[in-house]
Amino acid sequence: KQEVTQIPAALSVPEGENLVLNCSFTDSAIYNLQWFRQDPGKGLTSLLLIQSSQREQTSGRLNASLDKSSGRSTLYIAASQPGDSATYLCAVRSGGSQGNLIFGKGTKLSVKP
Amino acid sequence: GAVVSQHPSWVICKSGTSVKIECRSLDFQATTMFWYRQFPKQSLMLMATSNEGSKATYEQGVEKDKFLINHASLTLSTLTVTSAHPEDSSFYICSASVDSGTQETQYFGPGTRLLVL
Repeated sequence: KQEVTQIPAALSVPEGENLVLNCSFTDSAIYNLQWFRQDPGKGLTSLLLIQSSQREQTSGRLNASLDKSSGRSTLYIAASQPGDSATYLCAVRSGGSQGNLIFGKGTKLSVKP
Repeated sequence: GAVVSQHPSWVICKSGTSVKIECRSLDFQATTMFWYRQFPKQSLMLMATSNEGSKATYEQGVEKDKFLINHASLTLSTLTVTSAHPEDSSFYICSASVDSGTQETQYFGPGTRLLVL
């Protein structure tokens, strides 16, 4: 059974810092991995999707890496801003394109001005 | 981009009553819709998957007679929590998928917060 763990559970940083969020999964046979952002009481916004054959994806100040063999992914946020404050969720999809998403509990990020 | 809406955004009800939550894909036809539940500080847990016109597939441990899912069209799915109890209080999020042919893309709604008194 696939399990997804995110560390740390919460993180508070001053504005401008670069930071790394970690995600690990127990079964390396994944189809893809996705990072989402969730604002309080809101739904999910997809940030980056990495296919199992890829090593990383970049979008603006965000960079996500994937090491499938070790069951790890990191989300790197450069030059953090107060608007980046949210909960970041990691989810893996196994069993092909129709497989279900398995989510981690998330990392709650707070960027102080 | 594709938009998924949910209604209501929050609801408070008395124990024993039923609550219906709607999920709509506004600008696309969804092949599949998913219902998730999220308790505080916990991960999203998939409750059920439904395809238009067919019965929903429920995850292990989710009571299908308590959480009724109707997927009558390609743009609308409803989740009815029957005989709600305080332990059903949670954040319910729906998701709609568009099968692009190469990978399944899911778009998430804003969620519905349910409080059962």
